[in-house]
Amino acid sequence: KQEVTQIPAALSVPEGENLVLNCSFTDSAIYNLQWFRQDPGKGLTSLLLIQSSQREQTSGRLNASLDKSSGRSTLYIAASQPGDSATYLCAVRLVDSNYQLIWGAGTKLIIKP
Amino acid sequence: DADVTQTPRNRITKTGKRIMLECSQTKGHDRMYWYRQDPGLGLQLIYYSFDVKDINKGEISDGYSVSRQAQAKFSLSLESAIPNQTALYFCATSDSKSGSLNEQFFGPGTRLTVL
Repeated sequence: KQEVTQIPAALSVPEGENLVLNCSFTDSAIYNLQWFRQDPGKGLTSLLLIQSSQREQTSGRLNASLDKSSGRSTLYIAASQPGDSATYLCAVRLVDSNYQLIWGAGTKLIIKP
Repeated sequence: DADVTQTPRNRITKTGKRIMLECSQTKGHDRMYWYRQDPGLGLQLIYYSFDVKDINKGEISDGYSVSRQAQAKFSLSLESAIPNQTALYFCATSDSKSGSLNEQFFGPGTRLTVL
């Protein structure tokens, strides 16, 4: 059974720092992996989607990497800003499903001004 | 305007009451989903629908029912609410015509408290 883990559960860093959020999964048979941002009262916003054949995806100050063989993905945030404060969730789509996502519990990120 | 809307946004109810949460979308997507999120846990799939005549149970469907009234509307009902159904509920949509990508788009969530 696929399990997705995000460590740490919470992280607080000063503004301007570069930081890495981690996501690990137990079964490498995934179709893709997505990183989402969750803001209170605003639902979930998709940040980056990496297909299983890709190694990384970039959007602005965000870079997500995927290493299927080790069951890991990282989300790198450059030059963090207070507006980056949110909960970040990763979810994997199973290779034998065209809809099912398995979710991590998230990392709550606080950027201190 | 938001593409995926949920009503109500917050609801407090008592044990045993029947509750309906509603989801509407203007994205023209054929697939719709209901998830719940509990503190410290990932999202769990309750029900999903691939078109108006298609309803499927997810991981945690016990105690819930759904209705797909139209392609744009998908409602979640708690027939007799109990306290452990207190959670944040999300509706999501996806487009089967997007091919294998099938990216899901989420509403703002409904915070439900059962006393």
